[in-house]
Amino acid sequence: DAGVIQSPRHEVTEMGQEVTLRCKPISGHDYLFWYRQTMMRGLELLIYFNNNVPIDDSGMPEDRFSAKMPNASFSTLKIQPSEPRDSAVYFCASSLGQSTYEQYFGPGTRLTVT
Amino acid sequence: GENVEQHPSTLSVQEGDSAVIKCTYSDSASNYFPWYKQELGKRPQLIIDIRSNVGEKKDQRIAVTLNKTAKHFSLHITETQPEDSAVYFCAAGENTGGFKTIFGAGTRLFVKA
Repeated sequence: DAGVIQSPRHEVTEMGQEVTLRCKPISGHDYLFWYRQTMMRGLELLIYFNNNVPIDDSGMPEDRFSAKMPNASFSTLKIQPSEPRDSAVYFCASSLGQSTYEQYFGPGTRLTVT
Repeated sequence: GENVEQHPSTLSVQEGDSAVIKCTYSDSASNYFPWYKQELGKRPQLIIDIRSNVGEKKDQRIAVTLNKTAKHFSLHITETQPEDSAVYFCAAGENTGGFKTIFGAGTRLFVKA
């Protein structure tokens, strides 16, 4: 298995633009997580899905952020409009579930909003 | 909600010495405590985990201990090596009615050769 795949790996955009981050979890994993990592706030859980259904989105910072999982092999995290304070590394992770809780992280997307 | 505190934020040790990182959690419902290692520019990777029905777990040079009463858990690395240099994150999670893991702020470990 190729592991968790994220795209793009790097994104530079201007303030006010829409940004879409993509994630393909490991095949067969029931859980998918989106995290944001910054020096100031560490690794923050934004939202997670179980079997494509959002379970907890309490970590989503504000309405500008939205996430979807239309099928078991694809998820998106969208920021609209983007702001400089959104600059961070965004990780997607997946987990098998079924009493196996290890999360496998993707390589991350480094987002820079100017 | 769950809150995980981690100390110290930075730790520097001499090669061969031991390193200890400590975490506390707030939610007594948490029952799963993983530790992740993140090397510079890389993704976090699980190195060891412990569940609430176990007090201690060991895997070669790393060990974790859990005190449910006090709500704290620790990572112990013995005979440290330069390749142990990384950021280590503790986390607390629960799987009742969902599956949510909250991470500590991280400890940057430097192992000096």
